[in-house]
Amino acid sequence: DSGVTQTPKHLITATGQRVTLRCSPRSGDLSVYWYQQSLDQGLQFLIQYYNGEERAKGNILERFSAQQFPDLHSELNLSSLELGDSALYFCASSAAGTGLGQYFGPGTRLTVT
Amino acid sequence: GESVGLHLPTLSVQEGDNSIINCAYSNSASDYFIWYKQESGKGPQFIIDIRSNMDKRQGQRVTVLLNKTVKHLSLQIAATQPGDSAVYFCAENLSGGTDKLIFGTGTRLQVFP
Repeated sequence: DSGVTQTPKHLITATGQRVTLRCSPRSGDLSVYWYQQSLDQGLQFLIQYYNGEERAKGNILERFSAQQFPDLHSELNLSSLELGDSALYFCASSAAGTGLGQYFGPGTRLTVT
Repeated sequence: GESVGLHLPTLSVQEGDNSIINCAYSNSASDYFIWYKQESGKGPQFIIDIRSNMDKRQGQRVTVLLNKTVKHLSLQIAATQPGDSAVYFCAENLSGGTDKLIFGTGTRLQVFP
């Protein structure tokens, strides 16, 4: 158990809908990272927050957004969902904001039908 | 460009043998590397990391070797066990302030009795 929690574990929704994925980092970790893992593209970095502020951005679509709250949990919002958004979404956390020693949560499996 | 790749997509070894998983990275500015293990249905699990100022680092039954001259990273697993069966990813962190990890495509390790 990495100490990172994610909810929900599974999510099934229709195209065009909007969903919110939630992540709680390990106790004491200030950085939260979001990744997308699909069969054909491996693990892709989406975005990072550090102590409430956006720190780094990867290949995140404009339909996707995230935020980190004062209690350090983070939410990833996915809107206008398309079939191609079906994937595993992982959250990771680390103590510092340097990308080092990232610990991953169990993931949320999103299926868009 | 940014890319981290693996030479062998699938590696099959017999229980008790040593395993070597290889990874090539393309960015000479990367200064930190991590190996992750991902079992089916679970999030990536941190195994071992190494900074670019080191050539070798050992953990419990695992050793990571870094050859900066040829931009090559390897993970050695001693006395491979059935529980080692998983997909292994290498990841690099670019220096210069960015916090994102660039993941390789992964190598599946299959351990046979």
